[in-house]
Formats: sequence, structure tokens, C-alpha cells
Amino acid sequence: NAGVTQTPKFQVLKTGQSMTLQCAQDMNHEYMSWYRQDPGMGLRLIHYSVGAGITDQGEVPNGYNVSRSTTEDFPLRLLSAAPSQTSVYFCASSYTTKGGSPLHFGNGTRLTVT
Amino acid sequence: GQQVMQIPQYQHVQEGEDFTTYCNSSTTLSNIQWYKQRPGGHPVFLIQLVKSGEVKKQKRLTFQFGEAKKNSSLHITATQTTDVGTYFCAGKEGMRFGAGTRLTVKP
Repeated sequence: NAGVTQTPKFQVLKTGQSMTLQCAQDMNHEYMSWYRQDPGMGLRLIHYSVGAGITDQGEVPNGYNVSRSTTEDFPLRLLSAAPSQTSVYFCASSYTTKGGSPLHFGNGTRLTVT
Repeated sequence: GQQVMQIPQYQHVQEGEDFTTYCNSSTTLSNIQWYKQRPGGHPVFLIQLVKSGEVKKQKRLTFQFGEAKKNSSLHITATQTTDVGTYFCAGKEGMRFGAGTRLTVKP
């Protein structure tokens, strides 16, 4: 199993550009989520999904869109990048959220917006 | 909303010294998870605590969940250079992470 695969590893965008961060998992996990990590602020939840066709907002959803058309994939879209979105982005998945289940993280995408 | 606070933000120790990080929630938690992130890496799950007053050990690491299920701690005995990294607690089934404690170890 590859686990959770994120692409790209690095990305530089200009303000106003759009892009999609890809996330795929091959563990048949119900739950998938996106976090951003900024110095001193831990991991903050952007969006999450409890199954195909279901998404919901996390703590910091503004400026980001997601969709979950399949169990395996959970892309994160930045519609109009802003310097405040410079961060490291992690995708994670878990078997279920009910009763708690370990999160499996991808290797992250380091995004810089100039 | 639920807030998860973690202290200290940084801890620098001499190899062989002990280390403790503390996690506090503004509300009662159904469970708490702990993760470790090595420098340049991604968070890796360590353990989950569910029961009030629960204590679990993994070799030199001891995890505790408070009686009121609003706080937790991770204690490392006799730190080694391999313990370097940032330790995060997470509540609400991983939806709320603490800010993390970054541990550095001087050989």
C-alpha cells in the first residue's frame, strides 16, 4: 500500500493564480481531511469528508474548495491564491471518525504564494 | 468551539533528561490522540487515549489522560536524540490539534 499520496511536493504561485493539491489514499478509508501547518499554530483543519459525496468545513475553510467524488481522492482547490495561503498542506485519512481512528498523513505540499 | 492548548511550545533538553508536554482542552474530550512529527516530515500517530485516568506506555514514553478527560500529558524518560521532533495532541477525533511542543535534544 502506498498510503496517502500528495502531489506536488512543492509549488510556487503568484497571487491570484489557482491550483489544485492532489490527495489519494489506497486504504479504503472513509474519512479524509486537509490541514495547513503554520509555525507555532499546529495543524488547522481546512475541510474534511466522511465519505464519497460528503464534505464539510473545518476551522479555516475560506479560500479553499474540496470535492470527494470517489473514496480514494480528495483534492483541495485554491481558487485565487493569496500570500496568506503560504503554508505546508497535509492531507490525512482515517478508517472512520466514529470512536476515533488514527490519522494517516501524506508527506505534505509546501506552497509559497508571492 | 473547542480549543486545545499545548505547552510548552519549545523544550530543549540534554540527552538523558526527561521531557513532558501538556495538553489542555476547553471542553471534555471523548478521546485524545498524540502524534510525532520529525523535522521535515509528516505527523505520525503515536497513541490514542479514551478512558478517564488512562495511562499507557510505549517504551520510554508515558501517556496520561486526565480524570476529567480535559487534559493529557506525554512524558519521555531519558530522552535520546531520536526523540527530536514536534509532539502534537489532537482532540475531537483529530479535528483539533494543539500547537505542538518542539523538542530538541543536545547529545
